[in-house]
Amino acid sequence: GAVVSQHPSRVICKSGTSVKIECRSLDFQATTMFWYRQFPKQSLMLMATSNEGSKATYEQGVEKDKFLINHASLTLSTLTVTSAHPEDSSFYICSARDGPASYEQYFGPGTRLTVT
Amino acid sequence: GEDVEQSLFLSVREGDSSVINCTYTDSSSTYLYWYKQEPGAGLQLLTYIFSNMDMKQDQRLTVLLNKKDKHLSLRIADTQTGDSAIYFCAESRYQGGKLIFGQGTELSVKP
Repeated sequence: GAVVSQHPSRVICKSGTSVKIECRSLDFQATTMFWYRQFPKQSLMLMATSNEGSKATYEQGVEKDKFLINHASLTLSTLTVTSAHPEDSSFYICSARDGPASYEQYFGPGTRLTVT
Repeated sequence: GEDVEQSLFLSVREGDSSVINCTYTDSSSTYLYWYKQEPGAGLQLLTYIFSNMDMKQDQRLTVLLNKKDKHLSLRIADTQTGDSAIYFCAESRYQGGKLIFGQGTELSVKP
């Protein structure tokens, strides 16, 4: 089956620094990737949708200047949390779709971000 | 707006059947999904159903959809301790569209 990886799996950073999370589709080309945020014991909240080669579409309430998304290739999307603060600590999960008509999203294992 | 609701906890004994329920508000929902999340991991698609179906069975999993009541359920037969996880239902309006998730139901299977 389709595999999506994320790197790093865990990261701890100091308040005010930036951190980049990578999402890769390993065995398929992902025309669309999604970034979600999950708080403990809560659901996944969609942050943004990124299509290869174009700007990401952010959900209402998500600051695009704080959460920079780049989808430069068909197998890689990155999420950069800029000037991180403790309230940005969360579990970030990406997913990828292998075609515009595909109904299935393949999820990465997630990245646990802790901002101290 | 779009909203998906699930009960938060379910506890069953090993070997029993588990039934996890979900309700949604969007009558335009076309695709309905069940995902499983194990601790510290991403989501694994278990099964899905299209809105023009009312039942789908896949080995130990049975999905029932009552479109009139906007109610979706997942039945796991012969529940095992390895089934302990959080189960999310999700819906999307169109093929390839964004997913709206419920809060997740934590299933605890006791030996």
